[in-house]
Amino acid sequence: DTAVSQTPKYLVTQMGNDKSIKCEQNLGHDTMYWYKQDSKKFLKIMFSYNNKELIINETVPNRFSPKSPDKAHLNLHINSLELGDSAVYFCASSPGQGTYEQYFGPGTRLTVT
Amino acid sequence: RKEVEQDPGPFNVPEGATVAFNCTYSNSASQSFFWYRQDCRKEPKLLMSVYSSGNEDGRFTAQLNRASQYISLLIRDSKLSDSATYLCVVNRDSQAGTALIFGKGTTLSVSS
Repeated sequence: DTAVSQTPKYLVTQMGNDKSIKCEQNLGHDTMYWYKQDSKKFLKIMFSYNNKELIINETVPNRFSPKSPDKAHLNLHINSLELGDSAVYFCASSPGQGTYEQYFGPGTRLTVT
Repeated sequence: RKEVEQDPGPFNVPEGATVAFNCTYSNSASQSFFWYRQDCRKEPKLLMSVYSSGNEDGRFTAQLNRASQYISLLIRDSKLSDSATYLCVVNRDSQAGTALIFGKGTTLSVSS
């Protein structure tokens, strides 16, 4: 059973389009995250949610809108895609806020052309 | 200064070698430290937590020096399967919550 799953795995789209990435965890964790890993492999936190509530927003452009319908799901919607949005987006979860181990999904490789 | 800085690498070592990675962090209030491993085109996975007194897990030893804000990872008797990128991770607490801050990673390549 996959602990943290993301769909789609690959996403190729044109500038200006709107796209969504979905994430689900079956670990019963309270906290979920979105990270962006750019072409230089730098992994940077974007958002964290705890029990469906936004906890951290790391000055991400408001074209990015996370949504957590329940604590097992955290989706990421991106409006008006730009070339610089091309990256691998990882979802992660942890039992709670704080310094628990984080379990990552397999990543979604987004390419904007 | 970056929040977490690591040796740039890559480290290319033969099987059986001992290799050490270093990491420094800028936030003296950080309390939790980890090493994660990321294989090529895969997600990061926790390798080990780093405790104040230092800790060992098989061939892997992690050390923490709070005074110098320095973390290290030592890998003994390197295996081909150790080839990966090793990410130094430190917590950052704020009023908003706790985030894990990842270093850029150090790439290790073990050859036969």
